[in-house]
Amino acid sequence: DAKTTQPNSMESNEEEPVHLPCNHSTISGTDYIHWYRQLPSQGPEYVIHGLTSNVNNRMASLAIAEDRKSSTLILHRATLRDAAVYYCILRHFNTGNQFYFGTGTSLTVIP
Amino acid sequence: DAMVIQNPRYQVTQFGKPVTLSCSQTLNHNVMYWYQQKSSQAPKLLFHYYDKDFNNEADTPDNFQSRRPNTSFCFLDIRSPGLGDAAMYLCATSRGGQPRGYTFGSGTRLTVV
Repeated sequence: DAKTTQPNSMESNEEEPVHLPCNHSTISGTDYIHWYRQLPSQGPEYVIHGLTSNVNNRMASLAIAEDRKSSTLILHRATLRDAAVYYCILRHFNTGNQFYFGTGTSLTVIP
Repeated sequence: DAMVIQNPRYQVTQFGKPVTLSCSQTLNHNVMYWYQQKSSQAPKLLFHYYDKDFNNEADTPDNFQSRRPNTSFCFLDIRSPGLGDAAMYLCATSRGGQPRGYTFGSGTRLTVV
């Protein structure tokens, strides 16, 4: 399975943008890039996903490098409710449906 | 709202006593998954059902079994829980063949005493 690498932890001030990086140098052409986040004592929740083009939704933006070997999740204005562990996951569309989680990035938002 | 529901939220069981965790969904998704998440670790996939087909991960211990009697329900059975099985157990669903990801339940936290 294609592997992702993320920093273990990051900090951000409240109301400021946050850029969460993810490296996935072994990504294949049919791998989708998914981001999930997990708040304390809750199940992971969907944030955003993309294949090649940058994506925006009400929660975040996903910037995908041209060679697709890295991506960045962008939270435009961090709030205290955004403090969570953020997981970047590759999902091979053709051969299966399984998500294999990496270690994720623990985001701390400072008031 | 359509959702994935896990019961109970917290479960305490005795060492060696069989325990069953349940998951139900109103999303009509055809794929259901069970993950184990130990403290400060990422979720680890145990197995999944694609429709009625059971798919076990290679490193899932035999102590863990699963049943899916219909589309809406899926159960995780731990035949002889050990102290090392204490964890959060997460159920998730997805629609097979579509790139959109999973919907997770809130999890069941299992304590083994």
